[in-house]
Amino acid sequence: EVQLVQSGGGLIQPGRSLRLSCAASGFTFDDYVIHWVRQVPGKGLEWVSGINWNENNIAYADSVKGRFTISRDNAKNSLYLQMNSLRAEDMALYYCVKENYWGAFDIWGQGTMVTVSS
Amino acid sequence: EIVMTQSPATLSASPGERATLSCRASQSFSNNLAWYQQKPGQAPRLLIYGASTRATGIPARFSGSGSGTEFTLTISSLQSEDFAVYYCQQYYNWPKTFGQGTKLEIK
Repeated sequence: EVQLVQSGGGLIQPGRSLRLSCAASGFTFDDYVIHWVRQVPGKGLEWVSGINWNENNIAYADSVKGRFTISRDNAKNSLYLQMNSLRAEDMALYYCVKENYWGAFDIWGQGTMVTVSS
Repeated sequence: EIVMTQSPATLSASPGERATLSCRASQSFSNNLAWYQQKPGQAPRLLIYGASTRATGIPARFSGSGSGTEFTLTISSLQSEDFAVYYCQQYYNWPKTFGQGTKLEIK
């Protein structure tokens, strides 16, 4: 079964750091671009960051640029999001998402909630 | 950044009716457009990519059309399980922006 299983969310104080992880299975991980997308509960979807197979094409939303770092370990079939200097506005449900060959987002993780609060 | 604008924000319809959801892009591109369905408590699900190609397992009552700046998702005969929030997304370039969503609710 093709799936993405996420871990690493939780309650964190403003200004602190948190790392999200996403474990892939059921497909050849290093064949695909992978993204992080977030969603404030009850609101819309916001693309956060994406990374190609060899990490030489990486992009971030302006809202997280300079604070978040995306990375991947193809040997471990895993994607990561290092989130530093967290703010209240970063509080959201974060999804790990696989891109298909055409660029659409075909496989979504279950989501992990990040709560930023003192 | 390409801004995606969906309309209407909320669409009220009855089972069996036809629903038409719209998505407009702030700049033109060919067919790098996807539609997603999201139900409460669930991750989004890919319905349509390439503006008109149904994803695996998506029923034929879902269809997509359009190119350039105007795109449409049509649900030919609404089933009870179709009432959800729908998002369009452009993947022509990065950032791969989403529309704000259309909530399809039961009338």
